[in-house]
Amino acid sequence: NAGVMQNPRHLVRRRGQEARLRCSPMKGHSHVYWYRQLPEEGLKFMVYLQKENIIDESGMPKERFSAEFPKEGPSILRIQQVVRGDSAAYFCASSPRDRNTGELFFGEGSRLTVL
Amino acid sequence: AQSVAQPEDQVNVAEGNPLTVKCTYSVSGNPYLFWYVQYPNRGLQFLLKYITGDNLVKGSYGFEAEFNKSQTSFHLKKPSALVSDSALYFCAVRDDTGGFKTIFGAGTRLFVKA
Repeated sequence: NAGVMQNPRHLVRRRGQEARLRCSPMKGHSHVYWYRQLPEEGLKFMVYLQKENIIDESGMPKERFSAEFPKEGPSILRIQQVVRGDSAAYFCASSPRDRNTGELFFGEGSRLTVL
Repeated sequence: AQSVAQPEDQVNVAEGNPLTVKCTYSVSGNPYLFWYVQYPNRGLQFLLKYITGDNLVKGSYGFEAEFNKSQTSFHLKKPSALVSDSALYFCAVRDDTGGFKTIFGAGTRLFVKA
């Protein structure tokens, strides 16, 4: 059973470009979470999605950031017009349906560097 | 609102000695508590969790944690540290009010010296 797959593992963008980060949850998992980890800091919750629904986006910046989890295909975190402050590791995690007592399963992360 | 505090940025311990990594939390309902470990340039790995029942929970790699409701704490412990335990440790909390959002502490870096 493959784990949570994130790609790309490393992404370099210039200021003003767009970054797209992809996450395929574990097989059978229908809940996806995105977290951001700044250097030497903890994980900050960004968004929680189920298939075709955004459930909680309280941690997402109001501008330039968006997330989706379509019926088919991976979840995508999209950052438009990136700025240097967006440089961070972005982690995706998944969990099974209807188990809010369960732990999260994390991917290896996508490390975004904005030049 | 949920919150987690890890009061120590770093913990240093000699190999073979016991280790403790501290965590306190705040939630509206009953807490679901978790510990994760992160090695350099890797994702987080689940270590153990407290949902209900026995206050002392055992997890992977010989780690255990004690839930203390009156002190709202969930400290991570290991009787005998290994150099390979050196990593970044995160405490996390979710509550039982139906939400799925897990909140993480800032992390504690553990250094185990040979």
